[in-house]
Amino acid sequence: GNSVTQMEGPVTLSEEAFLTINCTYTATGYPSLFWYVQYPGEGLQLLLKATKADDKGSNKGFEATYRKETTSFHLEKGSVQVSDSAVYFCALMDNFNKFYFGSGTKLNVKP
Amino acid sequence: DAGITQSPRHKVTETGTPVTLRCHQTENHRYMYWYRQDPGHGLRLIHYSYGVKDTDKGEVSDGYSVSRSKTEDFLLTLESATSSQTSVYFCAISESGGRASTYNSPLHFGNGTRLTVT
Repeated sequence: GNSVTQMEGPVTLSEEAFLTINCTYTATGYPSLFWYVQYPGEGLQLLLKATKADDKGSNKGFEATYRKETTSFHLEKGSVQVSDSAVYFCALMDNFNKFYFGSGTKLNVKP
Repeated sequence: DAGITQSPRHKVTETGTPVTLRCHQTENHRYMYWYRQDPGHGLRLIHYSYGVKDTDKGEVSDGYSVSRSKTEDFLLTLESATSSQTSVYFCAISESGGRASTYNSPLHFGNGTRLTVT
């Protein structure tokens, strides 16, 4: 079946550090891949997406590349800010419009 | 923000009582979903709907039922609440449908309902 695995957190970084959050997936067919972010007390917000192999999604300095050969979609940012502190979810959408989410990775950025 | 309203935002209920959560959208999107969020489990799909009166089960559907009599409303019912159903419930919508421009449309989430079953 379809599933998403992402690195456990929390991840604690200093401001301006480089961020990587790993995400790998298992899926049949040709899924689309997404990263969502959740701030305390709120619902999830779309951060970026990629719909086919080798696509790179990017938004607000975050980026992730759809790697079919390694079934991965790692999230990266070159210089994190305190305001990036949140929980990040990797997700895939299958060919039937069903979404599958990873367990989430909490990011803490310290000034 | 996508026009999604969940009600109530918070609810405390007793074991064995029925509970209905409501999701209302103003976007006229075809797909609607109910997820629950629990520590260590991320989001898990309960039920989803791909049109009026068209629904299907997700991975954790036991103990839950849904109804969609209008495009804009998707109701989640716990027939007899149990403590294991204490969770935060999120509704989500998606535009995905027959038009090519809507393929691979992302989910848009409401702000959640925190349900406590005592």
